[in-house]
Amino acid sequence: KAGVTQTPRYLIKTRGQQVTLSCSPISGHRSVSWYQQTPGQGLQFLFEYFSETQRNKGNFPGRFSGRQFSNSRSEMNVSTLELGDSALYLCASSLEWGSSYEQYFGPGTRLTVT
Amino acid sequence: GENVEQHPSTLSVQEGDSAVIKCTYSDSASNYFPWYKQELGKGPQLIIDIRSNVGEKKDQRIAVTLNKTAKHFSLHITETQPEDSAVYFCAGPRTSYGKLTFGQGTILTVHP
Repeated sequence: KAGVTQTPRYLIKTRGQQVTLSCSPISGHRSVSWYQQTPGQGLQFLFEYFSETQRNKGNFPGRFSGRQFSNSRSEMNVSTLELGDSALYLCASSLEWGSSYEQYFGPGTRLTVT
Repeated sequence: GENVEQHPSTLSVQEGDSAVIKCTYSDSASNYFPWYKQELGKGPQLIIDIRSNVGEKKDQRIAVTLNKTAKHFSLHITETQPEDSAVYFCAGPRTSYGKLTFGQGTILTVHP
């Protein structure tokens, strides 16, 4: 069974631009979570989607948004990029939504903002 | 809010030695505690997890222990090998519908 896939793997953007990242969960998984990883802040939760609805949200500004499609694939969008948005963005999928289900991570998208 | 503290931040051992990483948490409602291993250029890989109804779980050279009274859980790696070198993250709490909060990570280096 294929793992979590994320596209693109690397991205370079300029301040003020916007970016969209894509995540395809493991086949059959219905919940998708997004995390931001930086050397200074570590792994921080962005949001979680299940059945096309956002179920949880972390402490990030409104510039960060996401959505989930009926096939469970998810996208996240960052508008008006800032230098501090440079990070590894990780997507994780789980079978269902709830504490009984393990989260499996994709390889991430490395975003560099110049 | 939820808080997970992980220690040590770096750990250096000789091949064959044991390694122990400890995490403490603040939310007493926590019921799921996973551990992840992240190698350079890769996403975190789930290596073992434990739920609040058990105190210990083993998988070959890896074990996790949970002390709910003291609110801490630990990762134990025995007979370490150079390929165990990576960054290890603990995570919790994950209550019924809660998000995962990660520790700051431990850089483990196993010297041949």
